[in-house]
Amino acid sequence: DSGVTQTPKHLITATGQRVTLRCSPRSGDLSVYWYQQSLDQGLQFLIQYYNGEERAKGNILERFSAQQFPDLHSELNLSSLELGDSALYFCASSLTQVANTGELFFGEGSRLTVL
Amino acid sequence: AQKVTQAQTEISVVEKEDVTLDCVYETRDTTYYLFWYKQPPSGELVFLIRRNSFDEQNEISGRYSWNFQKSTSSFNFTITASQVVDSAVYFCALSEVLRGNTPLVFGKGTRLSVIA
Repeated sequence: DSGVTQTPKHLITATGQRVTLRCSPRSGDLSVYWYQQSLDQGLQFLIQYYNGEERAKGNILERFSAQQFPDLHSELNLSSLELGDSALYFCASSLTQVANTGELFFGEGSRLTVL
Repeated sequence: AQKVTQAQTEISVVEKEDVTLDCVYETRDTTYYLFWYKQPPSGELVFLIRRNSFDEQNEISGRYSWNFQKSTSSFNFTITASQVVDSAVYFCALSEVLRGNTPLVFGKGTRLSVIA
């Protein structure tokens, strides 16, 4: 158990809809990272927050947004969903704001299926 | 740009065989970190190792060993005497340092199946 909690574990929705994925980092970790894992693209970095502020941005679509709240949990919002958004979305956390200085602890992921 | 290539998509071995998972990376930075993560069937990614670019010493941890060679830009992972519990997808990742806070860039993973 990494200590990172993601909800929901599974989600099925329709095209055009909006969903919110939630992540609670490990106790004491200030950074939260979101990754998307799909069969064709592999693990793609979406965005990082550190202590409530956006710290790094990857190939995140404009239809997607995220935030980190004062209690350090984070939410990833996906809107106007398309079939291609079906993927496993991972949240990871770390103590530091620089990803490569230590270990990232990953949650079990949220599997999104868009029909 | 940083890039990680894991050319082996899937590998299947019989229990107790040794297996090496290849990882080749590209970076323009002289300072960077390399990682290996394991993704068992449960789905969660588990950290295995982190190595900085200045430390080319090979590392051994139980049945796991890593061979880092800057000359060939490779960071290969060997499992000795494989076991069924080693069945998982293994990811190699790279993070550059001099360009600031760069996220981990992952390879596409190698699915290892260990057959009893």
